[in-house]
Amino acid sequence: AQTVTQSQPEMSVQEAETVTLSCTYDTSESDYYLFWYKQPPSRQMILVIRQEAYKQQNATENRFSVNFQKAAKSFSLKISDSQLGDAAMYFCAYRNTGNQFYFGTGTSLTVIP
Amino acid sequence: DTAVSQTPKYLVTQMGNDKSIKCEQNLGHDTMYWYKQDSKKFLKIMFSYNNKELIINETVPNRFSPKSPDKAHLNLHINSLELGDSAVYFCASSQLAEQFFGPGTRLTVL
Repeated sequence: AQTVTQSQPEMSVQEAETVTLSCTYDTSESDYYLFWYKQPPSRQMILVIRQEAYKQQNATENRFSVNFQKAAKSFSLKISDSQLGDAAMYFCAYRNTGNQFYFGTGTSLTVIP
Repeated sequence: DTAVSQTPKYLVTQMGNDKSIKCEQNLGHDTMYWYKQDSKKFLKIMFSYNNKELIINETVPNRFSPKSPDKAHLNLHINSLELGDSAVYFCASSQLAEQFFGPGTRLTVL
């Protein structure tokens, strides 16, 4: 079974600084997708970034980028130039070939002004 | 237009009651899901439904049942509500690699 582990329940970052959120996963599949979702206090789940396992190039979306290490089964999220609006719960997620999604336990990010 | 919508957004009810949460997606997606998010923010899959194939998380009590009248809807029925059912319930849909979530329904069982 696939599992997703986020080992940092809470993180904090100074505004304008950079923070990295960790995620590891366990799978025997070679073809899959990885995601980072953001959940602000409004509770809406918002897709931040997506990575296809077959792509070696790390995905980037503006200030958000990932470090995808397939052999190590690691998928960390880097947020550059942190803003107050980045404060939220961040969930790492894995999608298998059967279109089933598995979520980590989340990391609560605080942005300090 | 809202991609995935849920009604109601808030639901307060007494223990033992039966309730339903409705979900609709206008994205034309083939697969829909129900998730439960508890007070610790853990997000757990309850069901996924794809072309009439239902995949159930075996930890979900049989008091919970999904109903799909058509491809665009996946409603969640809950019988004999218990205190532990209090949570936020999310509906989601996906096609290919994208998954879109509804706004969530906060269920409170008194």
